[in-house]
Amino acid sequence: KAGVTQTPRYLIKTRGQQVTLSCSPISGHRSVSWYQQTPGQGLQFLFEYFSETQRNKGNFPGRFSGRQFSNSRSEMNVSTLELGDSALYLCASSLDGTGNQPQHFGDGTRLSIL
Amino acid sequence: GENVEQHPSTLSVQEGDSAVIKCTYSDSASNYFPWYKQELGKRPQLIIDIRSNVGEKKDQRIAVTLNKTAKHFSLHITETQPEDSAVYFCAASGRAAGNKLTFGGGTRVLVKP
Repeated sequence: KAGVTQTPRYLIKTRGQQVTLSCSPISGHRSVSWYQQTPGQGLQFLFEYFSETQRNKGNFPGRFSGRQFSNSRSEMNVSTLELGDSALYLCASSLDGTGNQPQHFGDGTRLSIL
Repeated sequence: GENVEQHPSTLSVQEGDSAVIKCTYSDSASNYFPWYKQELGKRPQLIIDIRSNVGEKKDQRIAVTLNKTAKHFSLHITETQPEDSAVYFCAASGRAAGNKLTFGGGTRVLVKP
């Protein structure tokens, strides 16, 4: 079974631009969660999608948004990029949304803001 | 919301010795506790997990223990090898939080040959 696939792997943007990141979950997995990883803040939860609905949201500004498609693939969007948005963005998929199923991570998208 | 604290932040051990990492959580409703290993430049990889109806779980050289009363859980690595060098993260989630994992701050483990 293919693992979680994230594209692109690397992205360089400038302040004020917007960006869209993509995540394809493991086949059969219906839940996709997004996390931001930075050296200072560690791994922080952004949001979770299950059956095309956002079920949970972390403490991030409204500039961070996402969506999930009927095939469970998910995208996250960040608008009006700031220097502090430079981070590794990871998505993780799990079978369902019960909260006690393993989450498997993709390789992440490393976003650098100049 | 949930808060997970992890100690120590760095751990240096001699090859063959044991390593122990401890985490505490705040939300008594949390019922799922995974551990991830992240090597430099790679994805976090699930290495073991435990659910609240179990006190201990073992998989070869790694084991996790859970004390629900004290709200803490620990990762034990025995007979450490250089390839165990990585950053380890504990996490917690509960039914009320859906699939939201709250992570500890991470422990950088260095196994010296």
